[in-house]
Amino acid sequence: DQQVKQNSPSLSVQEGRISILNCDYTNSMFDYFLWYKKYPAEGPTFLISISSIKDKNEDGRFTVFLNKSAKHLSLHIVPSQPGDSAVYFCAASAGIGGAQKLVFGQGTRLTINP
Amino acid sequence: NAGVTQTPKFQVLKTGQSMTLQCAQDMNHEYMSWYRQDPGMGLRLIHYSVGAGITDQGEVPNGYNVSRSTTEDFPLRLLSAAPSQTSVYFCASRVGTAGNTIYFGEGSWLTVV
Repeated sequence: DQQVKQNSPSLSVQEGRISILNCDYTNSMFDYFLWYKKYPAEGPTFLISISSIKDKNEDGRFTVFLNKSAKHLSLHIVPSQPGDSAVYFCAASAGIGGAQKLVFGQGTRLTINP
Repeated sequence: NAGVTQTPKFQVLKTGQSMTLQCAQDMNHEYMSWYRQDPGMGLRLIHYSVGAGITDQGEVPNGYNVSRSTTEDFPLRLLSAAPSQTSVYFCASRVGTAGNTIYFGEGSWLTVV
């Protein structure tokens, strides 16, 4: 039972345009959501997060949107750059006690074309 | 500024062999954990620890043991390796009270033949 789902295994976007990565979850107890970026042969690196009390969080070119009623979050990257080409994982946790127990989606491979 | 260090980076094991994946962090983080990454499945939690002397099971703990004798180290032991344990393993750590940012090591690629 996949509690966090990224239904698009891959996404290709032209440089300078907007990249939108989507994530759905089923567990209504999740209250903190994160996006991680992963290059080949490296560990995931933290990108941006959002608490369930918010519906938007912005950090430079990256914005995460949370729609609790739809149990859906998305990551927007504007403008997209070649260095953004990587695998992106969304992750979720439930409560303070669950903070170290992240549940990850399957990942979406983003390719930025020049 | 080493962060989270994993060794070895690559390992090939025969079925039935045992081995230990080492993980060390120099950030004085309380929380440490081990994840495995398999194709099409994201990262799944194996075991985690909230402090020295305290460990607990994650989503996929079978076939693995952990211990946390110091704050810095969190080794993962494969008791009797099986081909199903062929995977990429990531160790992670975070500060106990400063939100949910988890820092990952670079990964250990394990193949069981």
